[in-house]
Amino acid sequence: KAGVTQTPRYLIKTRGQQVTLSCSPISGHRSVSWYQQTPGQGLQFLFEYFSETQRNKGNFPGRFSGRQFSNSRSEMNVSTLELGDSALYLCASSLVRGGQETQYFGPGTRLLVL
Amino acid sequence: GQNIDQPTEMTATEGAIVQINCTYQTSGFNGLFWYQQHAGEAPTFLSYNVLDGLEEKGRFSSFLSRSKGYSYLLLKELQMKDSASYLCAVRDRRGAGSYQLTFGKGTKLSVIP
Repeated sequence: KAGVTQTPRYLIKTRGQQVTLSCSPISGHRSVSWYQQTPGQGLQFLFEYFSETQRNKGNFPGRFSGRQFSNSRSEMNVSTLELGDSALYLCASSLVRGGQETQYFGPGTRLLVL
Repeated sequence: GQNIDQPTEMTATEGAIVQINCTYQTSGFNGLFWYQQHAGEAPTFLSYNVLDGLEEKGRFSSFLSRSKGYSYLLLKELQMKDSASYLCAVRDRRGAGSYQLTFGKGTKLSVIP
């Protein structure tokens, strides 16, 4: 079974631009979560989507948004990019089995904002 | 909110045993995870605890005490490839069918010969 895939793997943008990142979950997984990882703050939760609905949201400004499609693929968008948005963006898909939910991470998209 | 604490760095010798501690404070505890992350790679799942006690999986074991808000990851027979960051993450119930996973900042383990 293929793992979580994310595209693109690397991206360079300039301040003020916007960016869209894509995530395809493991087949059969309906929950997709997004995280931002920076050296100083570690892994921080952005939002979670389940069955095309945002089920949970972290403490990020409204410039960060996302959506999920009927095939469970998800996108996140960051508008009006700032230098501090440079980070590794990780997507994780999960499936509840036997009362246990385990998140499996994709390889991430490394975003550099200049 | 949540507060998750784990040591920033640890060093251990190849072949030895190391214990990485994690303490947490949460209002709706619904499970604790340990992940391994090598530099430049995505985190990979190691273990999951939701009930008190020890879960063993090969060279890795994880322990949980819900009353103390405490967990540890035990790595035995350390190998050089175990050099990585180890992330403690707590799943918190936020509402009906809604959960959030909050990560600690990770413990960077260096295994030396």
